[in-house]
Amino acid sequence: EAQVTQNPRYLITVTGKKLTVTCSQNMNHEYMSWYRQDPGLGLRQIYYSMNVEVTDKGDVPEGYKVSRKEKRNFPLILESPSPNQTSLYFCASSPRPAVRLAGPNEQFFGPGTRLTVL
Amino acid sequence: GQQVMQIPQYQHVQEGEDFTTYCNSSTTLSNIQWYKQRPGGHPVFLIQLVKSGEVKKQKRLTFQFGEAKKNSSLHITATQTTDVGTYFCAAFTGGFKTIFGAGTRLFVKA
Repeated sequence: EAQVTQNPRYLITVTGKKLTVTCSQNMNHEYMSWYRQDPGLGLRQIYYSMNVEVTDKGDVPEGYKVSRKEKRNFPLILESPSPNQTSLYFCASSPRPAVRLAGPNEQFFGPGTRLTVL
Repeated sequence: GQQVMQIPQYQHVQEGEDFTTYCNSSTTLSNIQWYKQRPGGHPVFLIQLVKSGEVKKQKRLTFQFGEAKKNSSLHITATQTTDVGTYFCAAFTGGFKTIFGAGTRLFVKA
């Protein structure tokens, strides 16, 4: 089944304890992205990757790191989590866009990771 | 940075009534996507609009992209209880950065 998976789905942690949220897709998509969702703010892009070893900042990258060593995986790293990073996180992937399309194609979202930082 | 304003924030309708959500950008967009998120779920892609003035239909849903490519709308005719959820637009200005609207949450009363 074509899908985007995230782990863990739920996580409660404490301030300063490094954590990684994994994201994996089995659709051979080039584009992957991380978003956080907060009430009233919609989805805000953290980082995105257009291919292996190619990453770029979204709108809210502070406090986060990413890597894209393999095409299928795009982990999100919080080196020193803080309470303001408590949020619902979504990973998404998208196939290579048509040449005439300037941005990504339709994005397939993972089920989400609910993170609480105490 | 670039922002996309989406209105209204909430909409309560009686089943059978119509519903419209709007997205407005201060800058010209290259394309726009629409997503639906059911309560407790993840966003699911609905449609992509690329051309100026483009109109696309999916059953009871009608999507429009403005002539100036600065605004877009999603209209649902005769809402059903299965339409409940939050509808988001996702805007692009020529790169791969995605800007989402804040979403419009639709409540449908049977």
